[in-house]
Amino acid sequence: KAGVTQTPRYLIKTRGQQVTLSCSPISGHRSVSWYQQTPGQGLQFLFEYFSETQRNKGNFPGRFSGRQFSNSRSEMNVSTLELGDSALYLCASNDLGSDTQYFGPGTRLTVL
Amino acid sequence: SQQGEEDPQALSIQEGENATMNCSYKTSINNLQWYRQNSGRGLVHLILIRSNEREKHSGRLRVTLDTSKKSSSLLITASRAADTASYFCATAFGGSQGNLIFGKGTKLSVKP
Repeated sequence: KAGVTQTPRYLIKTRGQQVTLSCSPISGHRSVSWYQQTPGQGLQFLFEYFSETQRNKGNFPGRFSGRQFSNSRSEMNVSTLELGDSALYLCASNDLGSDTQYFGPGTRLTVL
Repeated sequence: SQQGEEDPQALSIQEGENATMNCSYKTSINNLQWYRQNSGRGLVHLILIRSNEREKHSGRLRVTLDTSKKSSSLLITASRAADTASYFCATAFGGSQGNLIFGKGTKLSVKP
């Protein structure tokens, strides 16, 4: 099976802009989770989607949003970017049968 | 707040030596997982241990779980330079395996 793919891999934006990141999970996986990783805060859970519904949300402002499509692909959007949003954004494809998450390579977002 | 806390924060050893990393967590769990991350890349799932298991092996990895002490350890035997990476423990919260709380990780450096 193909692994988790994330696009783009690198992104540079300026403050105030918005950005959309994409994730394609492993075929057959219906649950996708998103995480933000920064040197200061470490890995933090953003949200989880299952069958196009947001099932859980982490403690992030409303500027962070996401969605999932019928083919399980997911996108996350960050509006009105701030410098502190610079991070590695990781998507995970969830195998609910084995309780295991498989991570993509991440999107490195730099906000200038 | 972080659910899992790894100890030590950094570990430097020679090739061939064993590496032990510890993780403590705060609340009751169904399982605990260990992940590896090579510099700035996605996370790789290493092993999952369920709350009713005390020890689990996978190749050169040995994981133990002590639910009474809310702690787990990861032992890498006969380490190799390729094991150089950051290692994270993670537990699920909110009743869904799609939301993981990660510790800050142990940075392992294996010198050839």
